[in-house]
Amino acid sequence: EAGVAQSPRYKIIEKRQSVAFWCNPISGHATLYWYQQILGQGPKLLIQFQNNGVVDDSQLPKDRFSAERLKGVDSTLKIQPAKLEDSAVYLCASSLALGAYTIYFGEGSWLTVV
Amino acid sequence: SQQGEEDPQALSIQEGENATMNCSYKTSINNLQWYRQNSGRGLVHLILIRSNEREKHSGRLRVTLDTSKKSSSLLITASRAADTASYFCATDGGGSEKLVFGKGTKLTVNP
Repeated sequence: EAGVAQSPRYKIIEKRQSVAFWCNPISGHATLYWYQQILGQGPKLLIQFQNNGVVDDSQLPKDRFSAERLKGVDSTLKIQPAKLEDSAVYLCASSLALGAYTIYFGEGSWLTVV
Repeated sequence: SQQGEEDPQALSIQEGENATMNCSYKTSINNLQWYRQNSGRGLVHLILIRSNEREKHSGRLRVTLDTSKKSSSLLITASRAADTASYFCATDGGGSEKLVFGKGTKLTVNP
């Protein structure tokens, strides 16, 4: 079974530039998550989708971050304009459904903002 | 905000020894999960324990949950160098199905 795919794996941009990350979840998984992990910390949930609807985006900085999950499968996370403090790993994850299900993570997209 | 708080922040042991990591949380939970993250990689699910369970085993892993103390522990027996990683607890509940992670324990197993 293919895992959660993410791209790009690494990205370096200058502050105020924009960047987009792509995620393809495990086939059949209804729930998709984007987490931000700053070095030395645990992952922080940015946004959670159930199919193509947003379940929770309370910690998404909506003035600069946006995410969509068209057709309830792939998802993109965009940052515009980027700030230095956005340097982090952006982890996409998926699960069969909401609730007590195992979450499967991708390898992450490493962002450095200079 | 981060619900779980792992302790210790870092742990260094010799191969063959047991490693114990603790997690404390603040609000009531439905479930508690433990994940492992190797350096530069994504997180891998290890084990899930429900709020009505007290202990669970999976191979060399043993997880306990004490809801009265709002704490959990992860025991890795007969550790190996390959167990070197960061370990995170994650909880859901308190009115939300959102999974909230702690800051993790960095485990180093020396050969």
